Amino acid sequence: ETGVTQSPTHLIKTRGQQVTLRCSSQSGHNTVSWYQQALGQGPQFIFQYYREEENGRGNFPPRFSGLQFPNYSSELNVNALELDDSALYLCASSLTGLGYNEQFFGPGTRLTVL
Amino acid sequence: AQKVTQAQTEISVVEKEDVTLDCVYETRDTTYYLFWYKQPPSGELVFLIRRNSFDEQNEISGRYSWNFQKSTSSFNFTITASQVVDSAVYFCALSGGDSGAGSYQLTFGKGTKLSVIP
Repeated sequence: ETGVTQSPTHLIKTRGQQVTLRCSSQSGHNTVSWYQQALGQGPQFIFQYYREEENGRGNFPPRFSGLQFPNYSSELNVNALELDDSALYLCASSLTGLGYNEQFFGPGTRLTVL
Repeated sequence: AQKVTQAQTEISVVEKEDVTLDCVYETRDTTYYLFWYKQPPSGELVFLIRRNSFDEQNEISGRYSWNFQKSTSSFNFTITASQVVDSAVYFCALSGGDSGAGSYQLTFGKGTKLSVIP
């Protein structure tokens, strides 16, 4: 059984640029959630996708957007990057979008905005 | 709104000591789920346990044990006979079980960094 994978591992961008992060969900999981983890903080929920539709969103501006594909992999896009967007971005997959399902996390993408 | 508080920012113990990580939560949901995750230096969050709000039975798994007390809204995690490999950041998290917005996202505490010294 393949776990959650994310690419790239590390990324360096400059302020104002756009970035796309990718996530492949664990086999059999149809739900993907994205989290932002700033240094020394707990992960913050960005949004969740269930069967290719956004299933909820945290307190993040519209320049954070996403997609989920028919194979349940997902992308996180961030436009007009700001310095505060520097963080570890974590993707998690779960069997369904319900609250009781464990979310299994990928290794994350470390984004640095200069 | 949901909230998770982990008051201990950092803890250092000597190997083989027991250590308890505290977690206090706030929620208006009648049904909710509590989780503990471990984040080693590699960065990947590793799922440790899920506890349902209607099941207050404590759980033991090897050297790990969890004490859920609904009356005090706490879900504490104890490691017995700690080992160097236990060194990591530990996160407590909460998700709601009632229908509607918020039932699906994990709300995390700020984490407790545990250092086990040989």
